[in-house]
Amino acid sequence: QKEVEQDPGPLSVPEGAIVSLNCTYSNSAFQYFMWYRQYSRKGPELLMYTYSSGNKEDGRFTAQVDKSSKYISLFIRDSQPSDSATYLCAMSTDSWGKFQFGAGTQVVVTP
Amino acid sequence: GAVVSQHPSWVICKSGTSVKIECRSLDFQATTMFWYRQFPKQSLMLMATSNEGSKATYEQGVEKDKFLINHASLTLSTLTVTSAHPEDSSFYICSASPEQNRWQETQYFGPGTRLLVL
Repeated sequence: QKEVEQDPGPLSVPEGAIVSLNCTYSNSAFQYFMWYRQYSRKGPELLMYTYSSGNKEDGRFTAQVDKSSKYISLFIRDSQPSDSATYLCAMSTDSWGKFQFGAGTQVVVTP
Repeated sequence: GAVVSQHPSWVICKSGTSVKIECRSLDFQATTMFWYRQFPKQSLMLMATSNEGSKATYEQGVEKDKFLINHASLTLSTLTVTSAHPEDSSFYICSASPEQNRWQETQYFGPGTRLLVL
């Protein structure tokens, strides 16, 4: 079993819709949870990170962490075609710990 | 700010040859650098972590004699794939951090190098 599971998609949504992404994990020691966006042939770019449980909002992006269920989510409101990319979740146990990545979900926002 | 570059962006080589990939932090000093490998439809997998002037720490299952990592300066790390074989074909991504922790918010990724070994 992989430590981090993420549905690869593709997830296709119309422009303006809410994009809902999630990852599940098995290691209860994870404390830091990150979401990255990766455009084709580019490196991952940090969108948000969360420490422990709870919600965090930044503009159109909301990250949620439910440690009791070992489940994290990323919501993108008012999606735009420019949001079309692969979204990766990543987790670590410490601030100096190695990252465990999900496989990434490809998102396509259609005009 | 916080730009990481990689060179080359893609490379094709013959089986048995060695390939060197460079990773540079352009506008900050990278105390720590990381090398990842990503196969199609799979997650990024950490290969090794290096600190400037020190030997790299390799992840379990990564052959250190095959994947030579040099972090000779605070802005440059190199990954050399020695005696490359077709199974080494992958997308190699480096990342860098100006710090020794807080990597969740200070780890910046390069654009990656696509390696194809024929």
